[in-house]
Amino acid sequence: ELKVEQNPLFLSMQEGKNYTIYCNYSTTSDRLYWYRQDPGKSLESLFVLLSNGAVKQEGRLMASLDTKARLSTLHITAAVHDLSATYFCAVSGGGSNYKLTFGKGTLLTVNP
Amino acid sequence: GAGVSQTPSNKVTEKGKYVELRCDPISGHTALYWYRQSLGQGPEFLIYFQGTGAADDSGLPNDRFFAVRPEGSVSTLKIQRTERGDSAVYLCASSSQGNYGYTFGSGTRLTVV
Repeated sequence: ELKVEQNPLFLSMQEGKNYTIYCNYSTTSDRLYWYRQDPGKSLESLFVLLSNGAVKQEGRLMASLDTKARLSTLHITAAVHDLSATYFCAVSGGGSNYKLTFGKGTLLTVNP
Repeated sequence: GAGVSQTPSNKVTEKGKYVELRCDPISGHTALYWYRQSLGQGPEFLIYFQGTGAADDSGLPNDRFFAVRPEGSVSTLKIQRTERGDSAVYLCASSSQGNYGYTFGSGTRLTVV
């Protein structure tokens, strides 16, 4: 059974600081996703990582994937208040079944 | 349509009642997924359709839950004899063949009282 673990689950940081969210998964997968969710809202796709060593950046967020370590990271650079949200990583089951297994999420609060 | 549409956005029902939740995926998307998100948790997979058929229903918690997609577009998630533990946000997502991206709807918040 595929398991996905995120840490930390709660992250409070000051504006301007850097931090990293970690996502570990238990079995081989060929696709890893990062989503953002604002309170009461649905999931917004941030990144799709498809291969070992993949790195993607959008604004202050950068995601990377190490398939050998079964680890993805979401790095936040110079955080701003607007980044406050819950961030989920999700891993595809692979093959022809594309169902996603999600982590519990990281609740990020950026304080002025 | 432009996005994945889910109706209703909110549903309050009494314990023991039957409910139907609707998902209208992006036009042309062949794959459709239902997930359930409890408060403070990540979404959990329920069922996956490829076209009209349920390719994987391993996430349905019990036989009170059933989903259909008769024409390969709109899907309905049906819950019989609702229980308070069924209260959650039910999310629908769709994707197109060969596309690794998923588009999620805004969800239906189900409250069983």
